[in-house]
Amino acid sequence: GEDVEQSLFLSVREGDSSVINCTYTDSSSTYLYWYKQEPGAGLQLLTYIFSNMDMKQDQRLTVLLNKKDKHLSLRIADTQTGDSAIYFCAESMVGQAGTALIFGKGTTLSVSS
Amino acid sequence: DAGVTQSPTHLIKTRGQQVTLRCSPKSGHDTVSWYQQALGQGPQFIFQYYEEEERQRGNFPDRFSGHQFPNYSSELNVNALLLGDSALYLCASSLARGSQPQHFGDGTRLSIL
Repeated sequence: GEDVEQSLFLSVREGDSSVINCTYTDSSSTYLYWYKQEPGAGLQLLTYIFSNMDMKQDQRLTVLLNKKDKHLSLRIADTQTGDSAIYFCAESMVGQAGTALIFGKGTTLSVSS
Repeated sequence: DAGVTQSPTHLIKTRGQQVTLRCSPKSGHDTVSWYQQALGQGPQFIFQYYEEEERQRGNFPDRFSGHQFPNYSSELNVNALLLGDSALYLCASSLARGSQPQHFGDGTRLSIL
């Protein structure tokens, strides 16, 4: 079945780079996503990558995809205290007529000053 | 440009009652998906609506039902509430064409006593 796994916790110092890792199971996923959730809020779409790409960069964010190992990572450069949040990896499951997102349990990023 | 809006923000019900949650999609979006997020977990897909029909459904019982209106807004109904239905219910909207990403609202926090 579908399963997305992430490490649960990451702690970094302000100004360092953060790398959040994710593994997924469905090799037929077309898109893979990173969402951010702050306390008491919904999910904010950070970035997404098409499955035939290896890398995508968007300002401080870099997504790397290793399709052979079904491994996805999100690198945040120059991490700030405002980046403290829960980060979710998700894969898209395309059904007969719709698309569901399958999420991991989330990685809590804690940034200390 | 209004994003995804959900109402109410918080709701308290007792076991056995019924509840209706509402969602207005982001301007220009025609597809609405619903997710349940239990405390400390990632969101779980409930179902997706497009053209006023349920297009895909996750592993949720028939107590969970929905509706989409001609203006693309949507309702999630849950009957015979159980303690385990306590969660954050998230609505996401997207465009059906071109595998566009899903954008989330801030959710409705449902507590069952």
